[in-house]
Amino acid sequence: DVKVTQSSRYLVKRTGEKVFLECVQDMDHENMFWYRQDPGLGLRLIYFSYDVKMKEKGDIPEGYSVSREKKERFSLILESASTNQTSMYLCASSSRGTAIYGYTFGSGTRLTVV
Amino acid sequence: DQQVKQNSPSLSVQEGRISILNCDYTNSMFDYFLWYKKYPAEGPTFLISISSIKDKNEDGRFTVFLNKSAKHLSLHIVPSQPGDSAVYFCAASAVFGNEKLTFGTGTRLTIIP
Repeated sequence: DVKVTQSSRYLVKRTGEKVFLECVQDMDHENMFWYRQDPGLGLRLIYFSYDVKMKEKGDIPEGYSVSREKKERFSLILESASTNQTSMYLCASSSRGTAIYGYTFGSGTRLTVV
Repeated sequence: DQQVKQNSPSLSVQEGRISILNCDYTNSMFDYFLWYKKYPAEGPTFLISISSIKDKNEDGRFTVFLNKSAKHLSLHIVPSQPGDSAVYFCAASAVFGNEKLTFGTGTRLTIIP
């Protein structure tokens, strides 16, 4: 069974902390994505990556960075966590050329910044 | 700028009846559309899709309709079942774009037994 695994289901962090959210996929997918889900706003794209060491900004990249050192792993970094980054974070992956057929999502990380 | 919109945040339907979820888009470059279903504490799962060269696609109880001139799509679920209770997101992509999906705001569907 193919999987996208997010390292934590729930996280509570303090304002100003540096936060790392990890995502690993076992499908040898080239594309990986980070979204956040907020009530009334749907899923919004933060960053995505087409290949190792490649990254592109999504619609709401401010306050975030990413790292993709290995094909299977895509990390989202909150440089200095703020309360408005409290959200559900979803990682997804897809094979090149097949994104239109749907992504595979992880189960999500619910982050609370206090 | 919300390029994909779902104007109904919630919908309640009696079990056995038809559920109709709607989605509007503004970007005329979109040419592939998808519906995802999301249960609480789980990631979204792909449900059904449609290419802009079609106006209907059916898969079991699920049918998606596309009206390109109105930039509108809808998902019909018939008959509705209690397990269909979830949040539904529509998403859109440009085939010759950069493989991003742009998602809507979601509609919470509740099926009443």
